[in-house]
Amino acid sequence: EAGVAQSPRYKIIEKRQSVAFWCNPISGHATLYWYQQILGQGPKLLIQFQNNGVVDDSQLPKDRFSAERLKGVDSTLKIQPAKLEDSAVYLCASSSNALVDEQYFGPGTRLTVT
Amino acid sequence: AQSVTQLGSHVSVSEGALVLLRCNYSSSVPPYLFWYVQYPNQGLQLLLKYTTGATLVKGINGFEAEFKKSETSFHLTKPSAHMSDAAEYFCAVSVAESGYALNFGKGTSLLVTP
Repeated sequence: EAGVAQSPRYKIIEKRQSVAFWCNPISGHATLYWYQQILGQGPKLLIQFQNNGVVDDSQLPKDRFSAERLKGVDSTLKIQPAKLEDSAVYLCASSSNALVDEQYFGPGTRLTVT
Repeated sequence: AQSVTQLGSHVSVSEGALVLLRCNYSSSVPPYLFWYVQYPNQGLQLLLKYTTGATLVKGINGFEAEFKKSETSFHLTKPSAHMSDAAEYFCAVSVAESGYALNFGKGTSLLVTP
């Protein structure tokens, strides 16, 4: 079974630029999560999708971050404009349903904002 | 809201010694508890989880954890450390009310010395 795929793996941009990350979850997984992991901290949930609907985006900085999950499969996370404090690893995870099931994590995208 | 506290950001043990990583949680409703491991430049991998039932949970790679409601704890143990256990370990909690999204602790870095 293929795991959660993310791209790019690394990205360096200047502040005020825009950037987009892509996630392809495990086939058939209805629930998709985006987490932000700042160096030295645990991952923090940004947004949770159930199929193509948003379950929770309360911690997503909506003035600069946006996310979508068209057709309930792939998802993109965008930052526009980026700030220095957005430097982090962005992790995508998926699970088979919204109940207590194992979340499978992708390798992450490491973003550096200079 | 639920949260976890991991005591000790760095733990060092000798190869063959007992591994004990501490996690305390806070939740107003019955929690689901997890331990994840993260190796350098890799995604998070589930070690074990507690949902309901038996409070002593066994996971992969010889790790286990015990859910103690009276102490609000979910400490991770392994009888004998291997060099390959060196990694970052995260305790996490989820509840139904938050769509089962994970709330992570800040992590504990485990160092295993020869």
